[in-house]
Order: sequence, then structure tokens, then C-alpha cells
Amino acid sequence: EVQLVESGGGLVQPGRSLRLSCAASGFKFDDYAMHWVRQAPGKGLEWVSGISWNSGTIDYADSVKGRFTMSRDNAKNSLFLEMNSLRSEDTALYYCTKDESGWLYYYAMDVWGQGTTVTVSS
Amino acid sequence: DIQMTQSPSSLSASVGDRVSITCRASQSIHIYLNWYQQKPGRAPLLLISAASSLQSGVPSRFSGSGSVTDFTLTISSLQPEDFATYYCQQSHSTPNTFGQGTKLDI
Repeated sequence: EVQLVESGGGLVQPGRSLRLSCAASGFKFDDYAMHWVRQAPGKGLEWVSGISWNSGTIDYADSVKGRFTMSRDNAKNSLFLEMNSLRSEDTALYYCTKDESGWLYYYAMDVWGQGTTVTVSS
Repeated sequence: DIQMTQSPSSLSASVGDRVSITCRASQSIHIYLNWYQQKPGRAPLLLISAASSLQSGVPSRFSGSGSVTDFTLTISSLQPEDFATYYCQQSHSTPNTFGQGTKLDI
């Protein structure tokens, strides 16, 4: 069964850091690009970042650029999102998603995890 | 960045109705448009990719059409399980932007 399981969310104060992880199983992880998508409470979906199969291409939404760093460990079938200088507007459910291809373009996100909640509040 | 605008933002319909949701891109995205369904408390589910390619396991009452900047998701005969929020998303270029969503309810 293809599965993505996020972890690492929690309550954090503004300005602090948090590291999200995503464990992938049931597919050949190093063949596919991966993404993080977030959803603030009661709001729509926002693409946060994406990474190609070989980490050669990594891109970010303007809202997180310079603060968030996405990475992957293909040997461990794992995806990460290092979030620094967190703001209240980063409060959201963060989904790990699998792309249909190895690149960040032209294809869809065909597998989604259940998400991990990040709350930024003092 | 490419902006995606969905309409309507909400839609009331009945079982058996035919409904359409539109999505407009701020610039050409060719056919790189995907549709997702999200039910409350659940992760989104990919319905249609590349504007009109139905995902395996998705009922044939769902269909997608369009190209360049204008796209449509159509549900031919609404079923009770179709009441949800629908999002379009462009994958032509990063950031892979989503539309604001269309909430479909009774």
C-alpha cells in the first residue's frame, strides 16, 4: 500500500523552529518528486515547497522562501521540512504529497498523507 | 506567479443534478491543470490530471475539459458522496498554485 505518514508538528512560539518529517512506503521513493502543501484552519490549499527526485530542483512559495528548507533522504524513504522563524500565519495542517513524476512540473500530486498540525502561538 | 481563480466559490445542488465548476489561470498553462476533491477532515484526493485525464478508481460521472487558461470540472449526476470542496491546481510552473476552492453542498 502506498502511504505517506507525516510527523513533527506541534505548538511552537513565534520565531522558533520546527522540523517536519514524512515517511514514505509502498512505492519507489527515489523515482518521484515530493511536495509539502499546507492548509490553514478553515482555508484552502497552499503549495509550500517541492523537491525533485534527486534533490536537483527545490522550490518554495514566496511566503516561506528564506525561512523553510526542504530536503529528502532517498536511502531512508524520508522527506523533511525545516521551518525557521515561524510566524502565526504558518499555522496550518501540513501535508506531504507524492508527485506523479520525478520533476516539479506538468504532473499532479497523486498521493497525500493525513497531515501534521503546526500551531504557531505564544 | 500564476493565479488560479475558481468559480463559483460555493454551489448548492441536489442529488442527480449536473454541475460545473470553472477554473481560470492568469496565463497559459496549456493542459497542466489538476482537480482535487476534499471532504471535511480528510486529505485531498486527486480526481483529474492534465485537464481531462480521469484517475483510476474515480467514477466516470466526473470529467474535466479545457486548455490554455480556461478549465471546467463537470459532475454529470451528483451523488451524495460528491458533496465536498473542489480545488483546481496548476502544475505548469512553480509555485504550483491552487484555486481558492469551490464548496459543493446541498
